[in-house]
Amino acid sequence: DGGITQSPKYLFRKEGQNVTLSCEQNLNHDAMYWYRQDPGQGLRLIYYSQIVNDFQKGDIAEGYSVSREKKESFPLTVTSAQKNPTAFYLCASKTQGLYNEQFFGPGTRLTVL
Amino acid sequence: KQEVTQIPAALSVPEGENLVLNCSFTDSAIYNLQWFRQDPGKGLTSLLLIQSSQREQTSGRLNASLDKSSGRSTLYIAASQPGDSATYLCAGLANAGGTSYGKLTFGQGTILTVHP
Repeated sequence: DGGITQSPKYLFRKEGQNVTLSCEQNLNHDAMYWYRQDPGQGLRLIYYSQIVNDFQKGDIAEGYSVSREKKESFPLTVTSAQKNPTAFYLCASKTQGLYNEQFFGPGTRLTVL
Repeated sequence: KQEVTQIPAALSVPEGENLVLNCSFTDSAIYNLQWFRQDPGKGLTSLLLIQSSQREQTSGRLNASLDKSSGRSTLYIAASQPGDSATYLCAGLANAGGTSYGKLTFGQGTILTVHP
């Protein structure tokens, strides 16, 4: 089955630690995205990548970093510089074309202890 | 900057009722408008996508309309069921720096509860 997988489902982090969230897709999509969702709010874009080895900052990139070494993979690192990292993180992917829909993974819930 | 607003923030209806969820956006230069469903603690499931050249899309009991000139989209759910209980999010896709992928801007969502 084609789809987007995210791991882990739940992640706990101590203050001052960096953690990496995994996102993998087998849909052969070019573009991949990371969003953050806080309770009662919509999704906010952290980073996106339209091609391997290239990525752009979204609206709330501070304290986060990404890499895109493979088309299928777009890991997100939440660094210690992110002041309020507790949130639900969603990965998405999309084919080229402004009229095509975006598909989402199941999400990772990150909690800072 | 695109802003997307959803009204109401929460809605509770009895089973069987027809209902309408509203979505408004400030920048009419969108390429498509996508409606999603999100169950608690889960990812987003795409329900309907309306391209900018279209007026509406239908899937089963769901019908979504788009009026770019007024900056509005509605999601109509017919004969609601308890299984429809979820958060519904709308998102508009606008161009981002002249790329061919665009950028989605999300509303805050409407929490729907359908009680038996």
